[in-house]
Amino acid sequence: DVKVTQSSRYLVKRTGEKVFLECVQDMDHENMFWYRQDPGLGLRLIYFSYDVKMKEKGDIPEGYSVSREKKERFSLILESASTNQTSMYLCASSPATGTGYGYTFGSGTRLTVV
Amino acid sequence: AQSVTQLDSQVPVFEEAPVELRCNYSSSVSVYLFWYVQYPNQGLQLLLKYLSGSTLVKGINGFEAEFNKSQTSFHLRKPSVHISDTAEYFCAVRPNTGGFKTIFGAGTRLFVKA
Repeated sequence: DVKVTQSSRYLVKRTGEKVFLECVQDMDHENMFWYRQDPGLGLRLIYFSYDVKMKEKGDIPEGYSVSREKKERFSLILESASTNQTSMYLCASSPATGTGYGYTFGSGTRLTVV
Repeated sequence: AQSVTQLDSQVPVFEEAPVELRCNYSSSVSVYLFWYVQYPNQGLQLLLKYLSGSTLVKGINGFEAEFNKSQTSFHLRKPSVHISDTAEYFCAVRPNTGGFKTIFGAGTRLFVKA
């Protein structure tokens, strides 16, 4: 089975801290994604990557950056955490485009910024 | 651009009753359609998908969905629900023209009562 692993289930950080959320997948998928999930808003795409060192902004990239130095790892960075970034963060991966594959998701990281 | 509307934010139902979770979408291009399920404190899991062909698709756990192109709908159904089906369900669309961004609905929380 494809596995997407997010390094932390729960995280509490202070306002202004730099925060790293890590995601690793073990099935050689080309595409990786970061979403945030908020009640009533569903999932909103922050950033995605379709190859190593490639990244594209999603719908809500402000306040975030990403890094993909290796194919299996996709990191989300909050440059200076703020309370409105308190949310559930979900990482996902999928094979190359146009194949109709769904996403495989990690278990999520619930981040609280105080 | 695509959008997804899940018409019910919450659906309470008694065990062994049938259920329908409604999803409408909007898109200027042809799309793939997905339903995902999220159990408490977990990531999303693919339930079923429509790519082409027969408009009735069957998924895991006894769920099925019907694609209606004229009504741009993709409603999810189960003839008899169990307590264990209590979860949040997300409808999603992705263009089938080579793009790989998936747009998610806001989710429907299914609550199965004994």
